[in-house]
Amino acid sequence: GAGVSQSPSNKVTEKGKDVELRCDPISGHTALYWYRQSLGQGLEFLIYFQGNSAPDKSGLPSDRFSAERTGGSVSTLTIQRTQQEDSAVYLCASSLSDRGNQPQHFGDGTRLSIL
Amino acid sequence: AQKVTQAQTEISVVEKEDVTLDCVYETRDTTYYLFWYKQPPSGELVFLIRRNSFDEQNEISGRYSWNFQKSTSSFNFTITASQVVDSAVYFCALQRGSTLGRLYFGRGTQLTVWP
Repeated sequence: GAGVSQSPSNKVTEKGKDVELRCDPISGHTALYWYRQSLGQGLEFLIYFQGNSAPDKSGLPSDRFSAERTGGSVSTLTIQRTQQEDSAVYLCASSLSDRGNQPQHFGDGTRLSIL
Repeated sequence: AQKVTQAQTEISVVEKEDVTLDCVYETRDTTYYLFWYKQPPSGELVFLIRRNSFDEQNEISGRYSWNFQKSTSSFNFTITASQVVDSAVYFCALQRGSTLGRLYFGRGTQLTVWP
């Protein structure tokens, strides 16, 4: 597609449930990034992929968070046993490569609300 | 450690005024990249500009201009003759040249332009 596509746009779930968030990057982009945005914490990096490998997963807040990327394209971010503090907008971005001369282009995000 | 500071949390101006958004960064890398993004009320982060650490030339794009000064570790953004459509949150970000990948974001500046 023309831009980064994320689904669902909104997700409301009960505390303790697992959720999966999906990101479809811009065609041809080899690098893919997950960030989250919340009022108190601003924009936080979670993990990034170059191809199917994750050179930096240092931003994942706990072992309840995991992500994978298959076929060098679509990525899924999974949160297990969700907690209220996981409520945030989860943003995905992609770039041609992970090099600095390639800007990251963002999707519209998934707004996650934990009841 | 890397750090990006946007000291102005909120700025309000009246249409046609000029406004400058400040960004100060910290890094020990000699090669790095600086970015500005715009986040309108719709929520999507929109890439505006990228600068690498070896290029201190200022840049102008229409009503937008950027002033990069390594001596003061600043990368400021000026909007000339502001318009209501410029109302958004603006983020400054840094990418390390040594590790690439993730962006380090400032906390953002909420710009409101009144008619």
